[in-house]
Amino acid sequence: AQKVTQAQTEISVVEKEDVTLDCVYETRDTTYYLFWYKQPPSGELVFLIRRNSFDEQNEISGRYSWNFQKSTSSFNFTITASQVVDSAVYFCALEGGRDDKIIFGKGTRLHILP
Amino acid sequence: GAVVSQHPSWVICKSGTSVKIECRSLDFQATTMFWYRQFPKQSLMLMATSNEGSKATYEQGVEKDKFLINHASLTLSTLTVTSAHPEDSSFYICSALGTDPYEQYFGPGTRLTVT
Repeated sequence: AQKVTQAQTEISVVEKEDVTLDCVYETRDTTYYLFWYKQPPSGELVFLIRRNSFDEQNEISGRYSWNFQKSTSSFNFTITASQVVDSAVYFCALEGGRDDKIIFGKGTRLHILP
Repeated sequence: GAVVSQHPSWVICKSGTSVKIECRSLDFQATTMFWYRQFPKQSLMLMATSNEGSKATYEQGVEKDKFLINHASLTLSTLTVTSAHPEDSSFYICSALGTDPYEQYFGPGTRLTVT
């Protein structure tokens, strides 16, 4: 069975602080994809990153960075120098290699306080 | 990038009526689309997989007679909530699977309120 766990339900940090959102996944597939999405109050999902299981290189995009570790089945997301506009719900998700279904974690609600 | 639209973006209907939600891939063809439901402050839950030209595949616990899915063309899938009740009020999101690149693209969602 496939599963995505985001243990942090809600996080509040003061603007300019760094914050890391945790994601742990379970899958029996050897080929799979991991995602992070941002969902602002409008509800529309904003795609942030897609990573396949064979690529363990860390990724940096501006203030965002992702740490993928297969050994611990984790795909953590860090926002550096957070801004109020980063306030949203963030979802980690997993797509198995066989049926293209994307399974979402429960999400982490991030509050960036001015 | 690939764009997926949903119509309507929000709808209010009376209990007992049916509501149709459209999901369109605007600049690519999608033989497979997915429908998700999201209750307030909860995660997205996959409801069904919509395949062009064939019957949809529903996830366990989703009533196929209540949530009718039609994928009649390579760019359009529809979700009809039949005999809607207040507990069907939710945010419905679709995604479309492109083939080049082979990725899923999400629509902006439809907020359904049943009174």
